[in-house]
Amino acid sequence: AQSVTQLDSQVPVFEEAPVELRCNYSSSVSVYLFWYVQYPNQGLQLLLKYLSGSTLVESINGFEAEFNKSQTSFHLRKPSVHISDTAEYFCAAVPPGGYQKVTFGTGTKLQVIP
Amino acid sequence: KAGVTQTPRYLIKTRGQQVTLSCSPISGHRSVSWYQQTPGQGLQFLFEYFSETQRNKGNFPGRFSGRQFSNSRSEMNVSTLELGDSALYLCASSPEGVGTDTQYFGPGTRLTVL
Repeated sequence: AQSVTQLDSQVPVFEEAPVELRCNYSSSVSVYLFWYVQYPNQGLQLLLKYLSGSTLVESINGFEAEFNKSQTSFHLRKPSVHISDTAEYFCAAVPPGGYQKVTFGTGTKLQVIP
Repeated sequence: KAGVTQTPRYLIKTRGQQVTLSCSPISGHRSVSWYQQTPGQGLQFLFEYFSETQRNKGNFPGRFSGRQFSNSRSEMNVSTLELGDSALYLCASSPEGVGTDTQYFGPGTRLTVL
């Protein structure tokens, strides 16, 4: 079984400042890793995912995450945040293979301060 | 393509009642997963349906059940409601299921149990 830990429940940051949202996973097998974003009163949207290959993955809106196997981490970063990035961010893990369950972290609320 | 739709968006019930929630996936998607989201527990996996068969199930009591129809639409039923069932219920669809597929989430049904 795997578990996903998001160490920060809330992260306030000033607009145009950099941000890092932390995610650590625990699993006895390799996993696929995902970051989802949830805007107020909406469902989740996929931000980016790591399946294999390059350990650095990027999203279209400037976020990136790096898979670090030795530290079992998949931290999400953005060099300069905007007000519109205010949302809740969820890290998730799924073991490869068919018929697997996805495990979500408890979420990190990013509050961008003008 | 139209996104994932969930009905109703809001629901108020009293303890002991039962409730049925509906989810219409994106056209062509055969997998529908259900999640319960609460402030304390975060996102928890309920079950996944694929081609009318339950393929995976989370750790929820038998009061939580679901089904999927031949057109891939899915319903979730909760019987004998408890106060602790108050939550946002999200469904997500994908072409083949949890794993490498991106899951597309609906806006959720907010259930309040009084």
